[in-house]
Amino acid sequence: DIQMTQSPSSLSASVGDRVTITCRASQDIRNDLGWYQQKPGKAPKRLIHGASNLQSGVPSRFSGSGSGTEFTLTISSLQPEDFATYFCLQHNNYPPLTFGGGTKVEIK
Amino acid sequence: EVRLEESGGGLVRPGGSLRLSCAASGFSFSSFEMNWVRQAPGKGLEWIAYTSSTGETIYYADSVKGRFTISRDNAKNSLYLQMRNLRVEDTAFYFCARGIGFDPWGQGTLVTVS
Repeated sequence: DIQMTQSPSSLSASVGDRVTITCRASQDIRNDLGWYQQKPGKAPKRLIHGASNLQSGVPSRFSGSGSGTEFTLTISSLQPEDFATYFCLQHNNYPPLTFGGGTKVEIK
Repeated sequence: EVRLEESGGGLVRPGGSLRLSCAASGFSFSSFEMNWVRQAPGKGLEWIAYTSSTGETIYYADSVKGRFTISRDNAKNSLYLQMRNLRVEDTAFYFCARGIGFDPWGQGTLVTVS
């Protein structure tokens, strides 16, 4: 099974900050990775697919990078509506499909 | 508009059964793989079941294998999750999600085993 290690598990940041979240795969998953945002009481929403492709309608301050085993989600300038929990998901080798543990982005 | 809507959650005793449904609209349901994912309160996401577009290929997480059954009715644009022998640790929000890219997701339905 492929393990997805996501870090940090939480972070505090201010509006306007640059935020970086990392997912590390236990083996090469090429670019078969998505990033998702989840707000309390809501369903997750995909932000990035194919590791670096911005989902239609998602603000350009979100970006994804990486391939193989190291992946990064960057929010270039944190906005109030971005305070949420973020997850990565690998779909290269399954079953099982595996999520990262999540990163909760909180207001400093 | 692409939409997924889960239903069927509720309170059930340990050892009991429940059947969840996911109604799809706004896209060609029969063309897409589908998944069930769950999230225990305050916890992360756990993939639990996958079905190919035709239902011929099905996968389960080890945590539910032998107890849960995923199925679909393409004529009714619906996905199902039959859950048997439920345990307290199955308590969670259950989401359906479209495709191997998990986009979009339904709003979720809460299953409480107590």
